[in-house]
Amino acid sequence: AQSVAQPEDQVNVAEGNPLTVKCTYSVSGNPYLFWYVQYPNRGLQFLLKYITGDNLVKGSYGFEAEFNKSQTSFHLKKPSALVSDSALYFCAVRDIDYKLSFGAGTTVTVRA
Amino acid sequence: GAGVSQSPRYKVAKRGQDVALRCDPISGHVSLFWYQQALGQGPEFLTYFQNEAQLDKSGLPSDRFFAERPEGSVSTLKIQRTQQEDSAVYLCASSFRGTGNTIYFGEGSWLTVV
Repeated sequence: AQSVAQPEDQVNVAEGNPLTVKCTYSVSGNPYLFWYVQYPNRGLQFLLKYITGDNLVKGSYGFEAEFNKSQTSFHLKKPSALVSDSALYFCAVRDIDYKLSFGAGTTVTVRA
Repeated sequence: GAGVSQSPRYKVAKRGQDVALRCDPISGHVSLFWYQQALGQGPEFLTYFQNEAQLDKSGLPSDRFFAERPEGSVSTLKIQRTQQEDSAVYLCASSFRGTGNTIYFGEGSWLTVV
């Protein structure tokens, strides 16, 4: 069975500082990994994905994520956080199966 | 349309009432998913369609939940005899066929059962 874990319920950073949201995964085959962001009262917005190839994936709004096979991790990063990045972030995995399995989510708060 | 469209956005139902939630996927997307998201939690899989065929309904919580996609495009999630525990956001998503393709989500239908 496939699963992801987001070990931090909340991440708090000051505007302009680097932001990291952690995610580890467990799959039986090759992982297809995704990050989504959810703003209050909105649906999920796709940020980026890892399918194959370069371990550093660049996505929307200046976000990037690093795939690490040995550590089974796919941490989301942003070099300089903005107040508008405050939202709920979900890591998800899609195995040879077709459906996404989501983590519990991490609430990011960026203070001015 | 450009994205996944869901209606209604908000629904308040009295306990015992039947509700129907509609999803209009992105044009050309073969795969369609329904997810349920409780407040403060991650989305949980309900069911999956490939065209009009419902290939997986293992996540439907009870036989009060029913989904259909008769023409392989628009889908409807129906909940019969709603209960308070059905209160949640119901997210519809679609993608092209293939595991590496991105799944795009709608804004969700927010159901409150009173």
